[in-house]
Amino acid sequence: DVKVTQSSRYLVKRTGEKVFLECVQDMDHENMFWYRQDPGLGLRLIYFSYDVKMKEKGDIPEGYSVSREKKERFSLILESASTNQTSMYLCASRDRGRTGELFFGEGSRLTVL
Amino acid sequence: QKEVEQNSGPLSVPEGAIASLNCTYSDRGSQSFFWYRQYSGKSPELIMFIYSNGDKEDGRFTAQLNKASQYVSLLIRDSQPSDSATYLCAVSKSWGRDDKIIFGKGTRLHILP
Repeated sequence: DVKVTQSSRYLVKRTGEKVFLECVQDMDHENMFWYRQDPGLGLRLIYFSYDVKMKEKGDIPEGYSVSREKKERFSLILESASTNQTSMYLCASRDRGRTGELFFGEGSRLTVL
Repeated sequence: QKEVEQNSGPLSVPEGAIASLNCTYSDRGSQSFFWYRQYSGKSPELIMFIYSNGDKEDGRFTAQLNKASQYVSLLIRDSQPSDSATYLCAVSKSWGRDDKIIFGKGTRLHILP
């Protein structure tokens, strides 16, 4: 079974703190994605990556950065957390060659006080 | 116009009836179309994908795609209480070297026992 593991299920941070959200997948997938999910707004794409050290901005990249130093790991970074970044963050990986299905991690619920 | 649009619901359907979920998309270059199911507090999971115009059936689920009308739908036959969830329509579109996956906001489905 494909496994996408997000390092933290729940985090509470203070405004201005630097936040790292880690995601690891074990299926050698090329593509990895970071989404945030908010009530009434659905899943919104923050960043995605199609290869090591490659990244593409999604629809809402402002206030975020990413890092992909190894194929299996894709990190989301909030340089200076703000209260409007309180959200559920979902990481996903994808095998381009088959169905194109996204495999999601369990999510990281971040609260910024 | 939003890239992927769905009626947010809730859509209430009696047990045993057919549930019909609809989605429209704006980019004619979109290539692949997905339906994900998301239970409350859980991550999305793929239930259907479709690439070609027409119908695709898998058990109680049928996905329908009409590229000319930019419309994709999901039919659930013999609806069960366990089908109560939020259904997310997703669309794959080319983006640079690869493609990105954009989600609609989701339709909440409630199956009435």
